[in-house]
Amino acid sequence: GQQLNQSPQSMFIQEGEDVSMNCTSSSIFNTWLWYKQEPGEGPVLLIALYKAGELTSNGRLTAQFGITRKDSFLNISASIPSDVGIYFCAGQLAGTSGSRLTFGEGTQLTVNP
Amino acid sequence: KAGVTQTPRYLIKTRGQQVTLSCSPISGHRSVSWYQQTPGQGLQFLFEYFSETQRNKGNFPGRFSGRQFSNSRSEMNVSTLELGDSALYLCASYEIPTGVGGYTFGSGTRLTVV
Repeated sequence: GQQLNQSPQSMFIQEGEDVSMNCTSSSIFNTWLWYKQEPGEGPVLLIALYKAGELTSNGRLTAQFGITRKDSFLNISASIPSDVGIYFCAGQLAGTSGSRLTFGEGTQLTVNP
Repeated sequence: KAGVTQTPRYLIKTRGQQVTLSCSPISGHRSVSWYQQTPGQGLQFLFEYFSETQRNKGNFPGRFSGRQFSNSRSEMNVSTLELGDSALYLCASYEIPTGVGGYTFGSGTRLTVV
């Protein structure tokens, strides 16, 4: 099935470092979402972006909705051990006929204390 | 508010059997979607329900079906199970019918087909 191109696939960083990951698509989306998933759990919403060019922060997380509506990035500043997990981008197409999410492949983040 | 509740958490079935998974959305959420997560294919959209009607369907065979009840609870059914159906099945609910506002996912049902 269609997926977004998310990179990098994995990252190994030291505590305190900043992290950046991004997603690109050949399709336009109404909304970009960033989720984090930990083992044995479902994805948890981190940030939702609704307008092209929008830049939104949630604590140490910052994400942007690309101007072309085909890409988005997520930055995590000053990483801590609890940031470990898999981060997914998702593009949402929504309208009167329904809604669905298309997910990226995920970025596995490892933070070394 | 209680979160999205999925039951059971774990399930082991034999090839050829059928299975039914259940999802209770957040109170007040009328829209429910189902996703399949596997290591090879990632997160794939199965279907979406709103007010007991299927509004949207992904590219899965007819063995995968679902329904939604008047209280917004949803079930999905997989008939004639295959080994490749082993996956984490995730349910998500959201408050606004169009889906804007973000999806809240349950913890999933881990299905293993042997």
